[in-house]
This record gives sequence, structure tokens and C-alpha cells, in this order.
Amino acid sequence: AQSVTQLDSQVPVFEEAPVELRCNYSSSVSVYLFWYVQYPNQGLQLLLKYLSGSTLVKGINGFEAEFNKSQTSFHLRKPSVHISDTAEYFCAVSGLTGNQFYFGTGTSLTVIP
Amino acid sequence: NAGVMQNPRHLVRRRGQEARLRCSPMKGHSHVYWYRQLPEEGLKFMVYLQKENIIDESGMPKERFSAEFPKEGPSILRIQQVVRGDSAAYFCASSLTGGEDSPLHFGNGTRLTVT
Repeated sequence: AQSVTQLDSQVPVFEEAPVELRCNYSSSVSVYLFWYVQYPNQGLQLLLKYLSGSTLVKGINGFEAEFNKSQTSFHLRKPSVHISDTAEYFCAVSGLTGNQFYFGTGTSLTVIP
Repeated sequence: NAGVMQNPRHLVRRRGQEARLRCSPMKGHSHVYWYRQLPEEGLKFMVYLQKENIIDESGMPKERFSAEFPKEGPSILRIQQVVRGDSAAYFCASSLTGGEDSPLHFGNGTRLTVT
């Protein structure tokens, strides 16, 4: 069973436009949610995390995400993207089983000048 | 650099050879995870280790793959008798507590190519 679903494999967007990258997870228990960014030939870097508390989470580089328990979603947003945001973005969830972190298949964000 | 260090960055092996991938966790971290990334796919969990212990190896192939994290030195992911299908990027991550709420910190990966 797929624990984390990233609905869009590729998202092209013009520079300075807003963007939303979608992430849904499948769980009825409390989970922890993360977004990571991967630049070419590099490892994953943590953008933001939701552990508890406010459902709106702010991260680095101007990104934010909103946890929606009823819709089991954790979509990532940025109001105005920059060329340097071009990268692969991964949603991850933990707390499902053991100590495992489950990753989505990634969304490739391309910012067009 | 106190981040997660992986080496080598690139590794080329012929079919049947052995591949050894090394990972030094962030300073102060004693929990290490190994993931494999194939093109167009996400990260697939392989194994979770603490110092001298394998905690969860449910993602490891049953044959040819092994991992260790000794008391001293880096964690090692070892692939014996490599085949073309082993070609992938292998990422190591470490965490401070190993808890579900403790984010993973990743290295830059080792890209294994089997010829």
C-alpha cells in the first residue's frame, strides 16, 4: 500500500508565479510529515516538518505547508518561485510503522524564466 | 563539515565485483539509515542501524546485501557480486534520536554504476 502519494510528477511554473506541490498520505493514526528538496547530484535537504501544533508550517527558502488531517494532505506552497527553486521535492511521513520514513516518488519542479 | 559524509561519490564496478559504500553520520548522531534511489522512483528504505546493532533491515534484499555500523568508524553498506540492477544512487541519512519525530539528515549519496 502506498503510504505517501505525490500526485504530480512534474510541475512547470513561470518565475515569480505561485506554486503548490501536492502530497497525500494514507493513515488513520497520528503521523509526522516532512518535505525535502533535492538539487541535482545532491542529497535531500529538509525544507520543513510538521510534528504537532499549528497546521501551517513555515520552512526555509520561503516555502510553507499546511497539514489537513481530514483530507490527509500536506501540500507544499510558495507564493513566488525563483529559478533557484528548480529541483526535486519529496514528501515523507513517519509514525506509520516502526522507525521508518516513507517517501513519495517526488515532484520535479521546473521554474521557467 | 559536520554533515553526513558519504564516500565515494561515484563508484563503478563490473558485474560480480563487490561494492562498499561508507557513511559517517552527523556529529552526535548514532542512528543511520540507508536508502536506494532509482530514476523516476522515490527513496526506498533499506536498513536502519544504531551503533553495533541492526534495528530494521526489512528493506534489504535477502542476498548479497549487508550493512554494519561498528562501534568505531563509519557505517558500511556492502553489496557482493553486483549485478546491473544494483546501479542506483545510495543515500545515507542520520538522525539524532532515531525517533519518528527526529528528521533525517542526508548525505550527498554514492552513485553506483555496474558495467
